[in-house]
Amino acid sequence: ETGVTQSPTHLIKTRGQQVTLRCSSQSGHNTVSWYQQALGQGPQFIFQYYREEENGRGNFPPRFSGLQFPNYSSELNVNALELDDSALYLCASSGMTSPPGEQYFGPGTRLTVT
Amino acid sequence: GENVEQHPSTLSVQEGDSAVIKCTYSDSASNYFPWYKQELGKRPQLIIDIRSNVGEKKDQRIAVTLNKTAKHFSLHITETQPEDSAVYFCAASISTDKLIFGTGTRLQVFP
Repeated sequence: ETGVTQSPTHLIKTRGQQVTLRCSSQSGHNTVSWYQQALGQGPQFIFQYYREEENGRGNFPPRFSGLQFPNYSSELNVNALELDDSALYLCASSGMTSPPGEQYFGPGTRLTVT
Repeated sequence: GENVEQHPSTLSVQEGDSAVIKCTYSDSASNYFPWYKQELGKRPQLIIDIRSNVGEKKDQRIAVTLNKTAKHFSLHITETQPEDSAVYFCAASISTDKLIFGTGTRLQVFP
């Protein structure tokens, strides 16, 4: 198992609400990437944070936003939830103490929007 | 845009047989190609990776090959075991950039 943790494990929200998901990176890692994995599909890149700045963004609308804190942990915020936002949200950490490009995933947060 | 295609979508093999999963990437600047195994309800787990300066890499029963000219890379699992049953994802990236994932291959190994 990796040292990447995520909270909460599961979440149920209503359409139009807002949600915050949290990720703690593995010790020695300074980069956090967020992915959305819909049922039966591969993870889709949302954005990446490096040294508290957004460092790349995928094809997701602005209502998906994030933060990275000085301890390298990160949050994903989603506003105005839509039914299609129902998915497994994965964060992955990487950086300083791992070879370039290697990303290690957390267990994910399963979000259900009703 | 960047794209990774993965085949087959499902693969069933008898225990002890070999399994091969193939991927094709579109961005010629890609230089890092990891493979992840995801068991039901669990996180994707990095099982092997290869960089663009290497043509083949092996780790026990698992090997990965890369053909940069054709933009193809493949995962080979030999002597498959029931515990190899899972969904396997290939991915491609440029250095420390985002991972672009394939659509996954569901591997079933029958005893």
